[in-house]
Amino acid sequence: DIQMTQSPSSLSASVGNRVTITCRASQSISNYLNWYQQKPGKAPKLLIYVASSLQSGVPSRFSGSGSGTDFTLTISSLQPEDFATYYCQQSYSTPRTFGQGTKVEIK
Amino acid sequence: QVQLQESGPGLVKPSETLSLTCTVSGGSISNYYWNWIRQPPGKGLEWIGYGYHSGSTNYNPSLKSRVTISVDTSKNQFSLKLSSVTAADTAVYYCARNPHSGMGFDYWGQGILVTVSS
Repeated sequence: DIQMTQSPSSLSASVGNRVTITCRASQSISNYLNWYQQKPGKAPKLLIYVASSLQSGVPSRFSGSGSGTDFTLTISSLQPEDFATYYCQQSYSTPRTFGQGTKVEIK
Repeated sequence: QVQLQESGPGLVKPSETLSLTCTVSGGSISNYYWNWIRQPPGKGLEWIGYGYHSGSTNYNPSLKSRVTISVDTSKNQFSLKLSSVTAADTAVYYCARNPHSGMGFDYWGQGILVTVSS
């Protein structure tokens, strides 16, 4: 199985801050990396697919980059509705695997 | 607008079989990969497996011996059966669509909490 490791596990930030979350794969996954946002009691929501493509309807303040084993999710200006847990997920091979999550909290 | 809705028992006894159905509305079930993903309370996400309209399936090896996923195109539904459950199978179970095997899960159900307890 491909292991996905996110860092940090949690962070505190203020509205308007730039936030970066990283995800590392245990082997190369090309660009087959997706990012999700999950709020308490809700299903995850797809934000970014194949590393850098913005899912329809997702605000442009979200962006993704990377290839191979190292990836980043950036929120350019954190908004109140962005406080949530973020997960990366590889779609390079099965079993599909997720990172452990990064919780973004209000500072 | 595509919508997915999970249904099934919220309580299952240990050693029994967990059975869930996901009903797809607003779109065809053909030509997509239909997935089950679970999340134990307070923990991360675990992919269980997928089914395709052709009948092909792919399961997480950690659960493969206990999992069956099937797709019913006539009802626009797909289902999950997980046998010999234990307390470790207590989780919120999500169904989700994957438009292409290399892409993400673009539509999700709201999730259903299944508790394994006697």
